[in-house]
Amino acid sequence: AQSVTQLDSQVPVFEEAPVELRCNYSSSVSVYLFWYVQYPNQGLQLLLKYLSGSTLVKGINGFEAEFNKSQTSFHLRKPSVHISDTAEYFCAVSETNAGKSTFGDGTTLTVKP
Amino acid sequence: DAGVTQSPTHLIKTRGQQVTLRCSPKSGHDTVSWYQQALGQGPQFIFQYYEEEERQRGNFPDRFSGHQFPNYSSELNVNALLLGDSALYLCASSVHRGNIQYFGAGTRLSVL
Repeated sequence: AQSVTQLDSQVPVFEEAPVELRCNYSSSVSVYLFWYVQYPNQGLQLLLKYLSGSTLVKGINGFEAEFNKSQTSFHLRKPSVHISDTAEYFCAVSETNAGKSTFGDGTTLTVKP
Repeated sequence: DAGVTQSPTHLIKTRGQQVTLRCSPKSGHDTVSWYQQALGQGPQFIFQYYEEEERQRGNFPDRFSGHQFPNYSSELNVNALLLGDSALYLCASSVHRGNIQYFGAGTRLSVL
């Protein structure tokens, strides 16, 4: 069985400041890791994914994440946030080629002017 | 190229009723998964369909059932609705054994 823990339910930050959203996972098998963003009243949009290879992955909108196998973490970072980054962010894990994902409970990122 | 489309956008039902939600996958995708997202929580996997058969199922009761059609579109049916079934229902499509799922905007179900 897999599980995902997003360590912060809410993260307030000022515009142009850096941000890190933390995600830890648990699995007994090899996994793929994902970060999604959800704006109000919308579905999930894929920000970035780790499938294999380089542990530092870059995604859309200037976000990046680092896969740390020893710490079973996949933290999301952005060096300088904008007001438009205000949204709900979800970390997810799936077994390789399983097709289904297990999600964390989300982190609400609020960017203040 | 249309992405994943879901209908209806919103739905209001009363306890005990039955509901059907619909999903059309992204062009080229043959696998459809359904998720339930309760308020303030992450999506939870309900089931996945491929080749018109349920291939995987999450921890949901038999009141939740589905169907996939030859054109790969899918329906989610929920019988004997409970207040706790109120949620955003998300459909995701992918290629079989693919790594990437694309999500629709969801159907917001309110059970009164």
